[in-house]
Amino acid sequence: NAGVTQTPKFRVLKTGQSMTLLCAQDMNHEYMYWYRQDPGMGLRLIHYSVGEGTTAKGEVPDGYNVSRLKKQNFLLGLESAAPSQTSVYFCASGGQEREAQYFGPGTRLLVL
Amino acid sequence: GQNIDQPTEMTATEGAIVQINCTYQTSGFNGLFWYQQHAGEAPTFLSYNVLDGLEEKGRFSSFLSRSKGYSYLLLKELQMKDSASYLCAVLDSNYQLIWGAGTKLIIKP
Repeated sequence: NAGVTQTPKFRVLKTGQSMTLLCAQDMNHEYMYWYRQDPGMGLRLIHYSVGEGTTAKGEVPDGYNVSRLKKQNFLLGLESAAPSQTSVYFCASGGQEREAQYFGPGTRLLVL
Repeated sequence: GQNIDQPTEMTATEGAIVQINCTYQTSGFNGLFWYQQHAGEAPTFLSYNVLDGLEEKGRFSSFLSRSKGYSYLLLKELQMKDSASYLCAVLDSNYQLIWGAGTKLIIKP
């Protein structure tokens, strides 16, 4: 039982490059989330999904896109990376809104 | 706007008790979560409060007062492994979690 996994763990991009972060969960959770965590700030929600085939914008969606083609997977895409997107990205999943969210190990992204 | 406030850093001694406070102002309230995050790792769930009062879970307890917009996390019999950041998060009226910046707890021998 792996829980929530994320790939890659670390990535360096040049400004303007694109990439996709993959999140997978094996807990059969309906809800999945993408957050970014920056020093001195709380986790900020980028996009989330309440079920297979659905996505919705969070607090900071600009510059990111997501897809949830399969229940267990939630992909985060950066269309044209910018230095402001240097951050640690966490994926999380949960059963219902009032239930705890379970986090993946994070992806550290550096945009030069 | 929505706001979660917690102290940036606290220091405590091994074996002692520490209380980490969290105050919030959010659009609606559907519960408050506490998470623990060790440096370089993912947040892990500690507790959930939706009704006023104290919830105890081993060495950790969490308290909520909805009328005061206030919660605290109480850690007893501190161990070195409790050195971590503690994140307070409120589930707002849209069922989205609003996160505080976290309190870094340093445990000294």
